[in-house]
Amino acid sequence: DQQVKQNSPSLSVQEGRISILNCDYTNSMFDYFLWYKKYPAEGPTFLISISSIKDKNEDGRFTVFLNKSAKHLSLHIVPSQPGDSAVYFCAASDPFTGNQFYFGTGTSLTVIP
Amino acid sequence: KAGVTQTPRYLIKTRGQQVTLSCSPISGHRSVSWYQQTPGQGLQFLFEYFSETQRNKGNFPGRFSGRQFSNSRSEMNVSTLELGDSALYLCASSRQTGGNEKLFFGSGTQLSVL
Repeated sequence: DQQVKQNSPSLSVQEGRISILNCDYTNSMFDYFLWYKKYPAEGPTFLISISSIKDKNEDGRFTVFLNKSAKHLSLHIVPSQPGDSAVYFCAASDPFTGNQFYFGTGTSLTVIP
Repeated sequence: KAGVTQTPRYLIKTRGQQVTLSCSPISGHRSVSWYQQTPGQGLQFLFEYFSETQRNKGNFPGRFSGRQFSNSRSEMNVSTLELGDSALYLCASSRQTGGNEKLFFGSGTQLSVL
């Protein structure tokens, strides 16, 4: 039972344009969300987080939006750069299970120079 | 500050054997979590250890076990290996458990079961 879903396995974007990666979840108890970037043969690298008391969080070129009523979050990358080409995972946790995170299956982003 | 270190980087085993993977967390981090990643799948939570105690366990058979030492280093053991256990095993550390912590991942151990 996939509680966190990333329905787009891949995305291609021109350099300098906006990349939008989407993530949906089913468990209304989730209150904390993370985005990770992963290059081949490396572990995931933390990008940005958001808790359910906010609907937006920004860090440089990365912004995460949370729509609790729709159980949907998105990661915006502006402007996109070729070095952003990687697999992006969203993850969610609830307040009761420590650091147990539920991950989506990932979206492979390709930024075309 | 050194990151999360996982050893070995690659491992090849045969069915029925057992394997032990090791993880050294970032200095000062007391929580260590383990995840399994298979092709086309997201990361699946195995278990979390905090202060030498298993905090939480995912939906994996009892063949998967772990432990944490007093210096926060952790090991994961898989007994009676099956072909389906071939995966990338990732270890992640954080300062505390719960409370909106960020997980910091190691590079993983790629296990191949033949």
